[in-house]
Amino acid sequence: GENVEQHPSTLSVQEGDSAVIKCTYSDSASNYFPWYKQELGKGPQLIIDIRSNVGEKKDQRIAVTLNKTAKHFSLHITETQPEDSAVYFCAAGMEYGNKLVFGAGTILRVKS
Amino acid sequence: DVKVTQSSRYLVKRTGEKVFLECVQDMDHENMFWYRQDPGLGLRLIYFSYDVKMKEKGDIPEGYSVSREKKERFSLILESASTNQTSMYLCASSFGQGGSYEQYFGPGTRLTVT
Repeated sequence: GENVEQHPSTLSVQEGDSAVIKCTYSDSASNYFPWYKQELGKGPQLIIDIRSNVGEKKDQRIAVTLNKTAKHFSLHITETQPEDSAVYFCAAGMEYGNKLVFGAGTILRVKS
Repeated sequence: DVKVTQSSRYLVKRTGEKVFLECVQDMDHENMFWYRQDPGLGLRLIYFSYDVKMKEKGDIPEGYSVSREKKERFSLILESASTNQTSMYLCASSFGQGGSYEQYFGPGTRLTVT
C-alpha cells in the first residue's frame, strides 16, 4: 500500500521568511496530493492540492510542487506570518478513489 | 459552509466499556471517514463509508466497527475500549465520485481510556 513520509517534523522560521515542507510517496499510481492545515483545537482543513498532470500550483503565498519521477512533492509558504503557525499534513491518493494516506505532520512555528 | 460535527470534544471511558463516537455532516456528502490522530503518526484511516450501509476497512480497523444507517451520520464503535485506543478521533466527509475530493473534518473527539 501507499506510504507517505513527511519532513521535517518541526520547523521554526522568522516572520517574513519562507518555509518548505517535503513529502515522499511510494505508490506510483497515486495521482492526487492535497495539503491540510490544522490549527489548535480544530480539524484539518484543505489549503491546496495538486494532481499528477501538473508540476506546480500556486495560491497567493502558498505553492506546491510535484516531481512524479522522484515521487516527492513539497509545500512552499512565502512571507510567513504568525497565523501560518499550525500543523501541516501532506497526503497522497487516487483522484478517483476515496482513500488518502497522510504524512506524520509538520509543526510550523512562525516567530514574530 | 460545510459542517461536520462530532458528538463530544472530550470523552473519558474505562477499559472494557463500549464506546460510541458520533459524526454528522450537513452537506449530503456520500463519503464519510474515521481517522485517529497520534503524535508522530499523523492521521490514520480506521474505516470509511461511500454510501449508506456500505463500509470499507482502512489501515487500522482492528478493535473498531462502524455504522452508517443514514447518509448524514457515521458512527465509530469501540466494542471493548482499551488503553491503547486513547487518542484523538477525527471524522471527515467528502463528495462522491465526480465531485470535489476535498475532505471536510470535524473538530475531533479526544478519547481517554483509563
